[in-house]
Amino acid sequence: RKEVEQDPGPFNVPEGATVAFNCTYSNSASQSFFWYRQDCRKEPKLLMSVYSSGNEDGRFTAQLNRASQYISLLIRDSKLSDSATYLCVVNFLNQGGKLIFGQGTELSVKP
Amino acid sequence: DTGVSQDPRHKITKRGQNVTFRCDPISEHNRLYWYRQTLGQGPEFLTYFQNEAQLEKSRLLSDRFSAERPKGSFSTLEIQRTEQGDSAMYLCASSFDRSSYNEQFFGPGTRLTVL
Repeated sequence: RKEVEQDPGPFNVPEGATVAFNCTYSNSASQSFFWYRQDCRKEPKLLMSVYSSGNEDGRFTAQLNRASQYISLLIRDSKLSDSATYLCVVNFLNQGGKLIFGQGTELSVKP
Repeated sequence: DTGVSQDPRHKITKRGQNVTFRCDPISEHNRLYWYRQTLGQGPEFLTYFQNEAQLEKSRLLSDRFSAERPKGSFSTLEIQRTEQGDSAMYLCASSFDRSSYNEQFFGPGTRLTVL
């Protein structure tokens, strides 16, 4: 079983749609959580950290459920520029902070 | 630009050759990480440094791979006797250990193709 698993993609949605990505992680010792965005052939860029109480940044909302070991990302009013691969990431701070990535979910927003 | 930089951006080499990549982290960051990413997968951890000390190496890092960070600033990753399976994007990231969440910021990567 992979340590971080994400919804299989790709997700093809029209502009303005709301889309949700889900992610589960297997290690209950995971201590911090992130969503990264990766454009084709580019490096991953930090989209947002995920806090225990959930957090929102504009059109993006992240939720964490430690009991279920589940993380989600909600994108509202999707834009063409949101097209990218979204990577769910967990961090074991007591292991020096190496990041464990899911395989990513591809999002394509169409006009 | 004060972000993470990597050099070269692309490297094509023949099987059996040695290659070396360089990473310059964000200047105030004392942690530096190397990851490898193949097509359709998320990045996989290779190794990390706290200042000049290499504190962890993944089992993915075979004895053909060596990484250094001699002065606690830039780092190099060397691959000896390259194999076609080494073809991947090699990503460097840095962070500051006083950050409560250890957010890591990535460089543009070095794309290696082994012929």
